[in-house]
Amino acid sequence: EDQVTQSPEALRLQEGESSSLNCSYTVSGLRGLFWYRQDPGKGPEFLFTLYSAGEEKEKERLKATLTKKESFLHITAPKPEDSATYLCAVLSDSNYQLIWGAGTKLIIKP
Amino acid sequence: EAQVTQNPRYLITVTGKKLTVTCSQNMNHEYMSWYRQDPGLGLRQIYYSMNVEVTDKGDVPEGYKVSRKEKRNFPLILESPSPNQTSLYFCASRILDTQYFGPGTRLTVL
Repeated sequence: EDQVTQSPEALRLQEGESSSLNCSYTVSGLRGLFWYRQDPGKGPEFLFTLYSAGEEKEKERLKATLTKKESFLHITAPKPEDSATYLCAVLSDSNYQLIWGAGTKLIIKP
Repeated sequence: EAQVTQNPRYLITVTGKKLTVTCSQNMNHEYMSWYRQDPGLGLRQIYYSMNVEVTDKGDVPEGYKVSRKEKRNFPLILESPSPNQTSLYFCASRILDTQYFGPGTRLTVL
């Protein structure tokens, strides 16, 4: 069964303290892995798509990487405005529907 | 501006009173879907539509109906709402593998 697991559920960091969020997945064939950011009471906002192991994408303080079993979202020197819930989703070759993880709630304290 | 809009944004209703949540996108996307989001459960797909007049069930379709008479609109209908349908609802449209979400509708059924 296709499955996506994100860890940790919540992460509290001091401003400037770098860390990583994890997204582990099990799919029959990976078509793509997606990272979204969601602010409270708002719709998820697209960040990155990764298609193959070894691929990396960057945007400001965020960097997403992909292996055959998991993806990491690295946050370098985060700021309070990076506080949000980060969602991971995968698309498999056999199913056109996205499979979503439960998300990691990131809190950056000034 | 490219966007997905939903109305209403907030709705409080009573059990059994039919309601419709509208969704519209101006990006000419063929694929649209509805999700509900509940604490600890993440995003769960209710229905999706690959194109006009083509709809299919997602993971949690019970108690919901949809229609897709035009490419831009994809309303969600609750014929007889119940308290367990209290949730945050998101409409989304998709081009290739990237999904764009609406701002959400917070529904409370008393």
